[in-house]
Amino acid sequence: AQSVAQPEDQVNVAEGNPLTVKCTYSVSGNPYLFWYVQYPNRGLQFLLKYITGDNLVKGSYGFEAEFNKSQTSFHLKKPSALVSDSALYFCAVRETGTYKYIFGTGTRLKVLA
Amino acid sequence: EPEVTQTPSHQVTQMGQEVILRCVPISNHLYFYWYRQILGQKVEFLVSFYNNEISEKSEIFDDQFSVERPDGSNFTLKIRSTKLEDSAMYFCASMSKADVVRLFFGSGTQLSVL
Repeated sequence: AQSVAQPEDQVNVAEGNPLTVKCTYSVSGNPYLFWYVQYPNRGLQFLLKYITGDNLVKGSYGFEAEFNKSQTSFHLKKPSALVSDSALYFCAVRETGTYKYIFGTGTRLKVLA
Repeated sequence: EPEVTQTPSHQVTQMGQEVILRCVPISNHLYFYWYRQILGQKVEFLVSFYNNEISEKSEIFDDQFSVERPDGSNFTLKIRSTKLEDSAMYFCASMSKADVVRLFFGSGTQLSVL
């Protein structure tokens, strides 16, 4: 079965510092990978995707993610964190040959002022 | 930006009762989904729906669950006989055929089974 893993339940970072939220994947074939963000009492919102092409993909709110095939990783990054980035972040993969999206367990990001 | 709308935002029911959760997907979208989130963390796939039929479903989506698109705009999830463990936040999502790599989620229905 195809899946994504988010090894950290929570990440704390000081405002202004760079942030990384980790994700590794297990898929057969070429992966379709995604990051979504969830703010309190809201649904998930799309941040960015990797389908093909450049390994560094840019998304909303200054976020970017780096696809690394050899390490089967797709880490979310931002050069300078804001307090307003504090939220729950989900990595996701689309199962090959389907339109079924599988989400990771989520990582809670806390940006401290 | 267009939104997926879910009603009600919160539903309380007694164990064994039937519930129907309602969703209005974005109007030109053709792919529809139900996910649920337990304890504000893990997001679990339940079912996907396209062309008036179920495309994929998870092991969670047993005979107690059903989905329907009754009138071309609404998309519903029915749980026939609720159990305590069905308590969760249920999210509807939809996706356009023109952009089959981006899900749009509603704000969810919090289901509490007592």
